[in-house]
Amino acid sequence: KQEVTQIPAALSVPEGENLVLNCSFTDSAIYNLQWFRQDPGKGLTSLLLIQSSQREQTSGRLNASLDKSSGRSTLYIAASQPGDSATYLCAVTGNQFYFGTGTSLTVIP
Amino acid sequence: GAVVSQHPSWVICKSGTSVKIECRSLDFQATTMFWYRQFPKQSLMLMATSNEGSKATYEQGVEKDKFLINHASLTLSTLTVTSAHPEDSSFYICSASLLAGGPGEDTQYFGPGTRLTVL
Repeated sequence: KQEVTQIPAALSVPEGENLVLNCSFTDSAIYNLQWFRQDPGKGLTSLLLIQSSQREQTSGRLNASLDKSSGRSTLYIAASQPGDSATYLCAVTGNQFYFGTGTSLTVIP
Repeated sequence: GAVVSQHPSWVICKSGTSVKIECRSLDFQATTMFWYRQFPKQSLMLMATSNEGSKATYEQGVEKDKFLINHASLTLSTLTVTSAHPEDSSFYICSASLLAGGPGEDTQYFGPGTRLTVL
């Protein structure tokens, strides 16, 4: 069974810092990997989608990489801002969705 | 841990028919449930937010008359795709948040999803 783990579980950084969130999965047979943002009480917002044949995707200050063979993905956030404070989830799609445990990010002004 | 189930896990139907998908929180009460869909090779997108006992809030571009959501109890929300057409074929997934006020109240627990194919 696919297991998706995110490290760290929580992260607190000063504004302006670059940071990396990690996601690992146990079964490399995936269709794609997605990164989401979750704000308290709200639904998920999709940030980046990486197809299994791709290695990275970029959107603004966000860059996500995918290494299927090692079962890893990273989300890089450049020049962090207080508005980036949220929980970040990764999810892999196989026969169904498998969500990671999440990383709670706090960016301190 | 908290478990969310969906039924059915997959469904094939003819164009013009209606399909109901159930989302249940099995061992906890959920004041809020979310419905998402994912078209092939696209990102998972939020469709609507459902609160028990009140009308669902739909995201922009989602037709509320086509995707009927009922959240009749703290453990059950249903999504009905009315007059389904082939373009509605998608993967539908729900999530449920724990009852507000308790620990982890913002944590969402996801169902396994329902794959809908409309012929």
